[in-house]
Amino acid sequence: AQSVTQLGSHVSVSEGALVLLRCNYSSSVPPYLFWYVQYPNQGLQLLLKYTSAATLVKGINGFEAEFKKSETSFHLTKPSAHMSDAAEYFCAVASYGGGTSYGKLTFGQGTILTVHP
Amino acid sequence: GAVVSQHPSRVICKSGTSVKIECRSLDFQATTMFWYRQFPKQSLMLMATSNEGSKATYEQGVEKDKFLINHASLTLSTLTVTSAHPEDSSFYICSARDRGKPSSYNEQFFGPGTRLTVL
Repeated sequence: AQSVTQLGSHVSVSEGALVLLRCNYSSSVPPYLFWYVQYPNQGLQLLLKYTSAATLVKGINGFEAEFKKSETSFHLTKPSAHMSDAAEYFCAVASYGGGTSYGKLTFGQGTILTVHP
Repeated sequence: GAVVSQHPSRVICKSGTSVKIECRSLDFQATTMFWYRQFPKQSLMLMATSNEGSKATYEQGVEKDKFLINHASLTLSTLTVTSAHPEDSSFYICSARDRGKPSSYNEQFFGPGTRLTVL
């Protein structure tokens, strides 16, 4: 079984400030981890993914995340927030099992990021 | 590349009618597609996994007779909400995995979603 917990349903930052969105996972096998962004009434766009290669993963739009096995965390960061970053962010873990469950994603509850001028 | 489309983007129907939502992979072949529903201010919940040429695998608690899934080709999966009721109103999102990518890639590409409102 696998699960994802995102700490903080809402995060508010000022434009130019550091963005930190927290994600902790639970998985009985080495996980694949993803961060997605969702704008209102749209589907999900992949920001970055961890697939057991480098622990520091760089994604699009200046975001990055660090996989920390000891802390079972995969927090998302961005050094300087832009107004356009305002959206909802989802952390997800993928099933490592075979068969029909392969590739099945389990999502966290989501974190709404607000960016103030 | 890796574009997934959904049609329609928005649909309003009367209670008791059936609604079909299409999910297409436009520039890749998808042996596996996934259907999610998302209630307002909530996360995505996986409804079912759709495999081309075989029956869909439904998650616990999802009524397979109410949410009919057909994955007739490598680029098309459909979700039909039968005898829709107001509680079925939700945002339905599909995703697809590219069969051309190695299994370790394990990424899903998401469609833009379909907003269903049942009156």
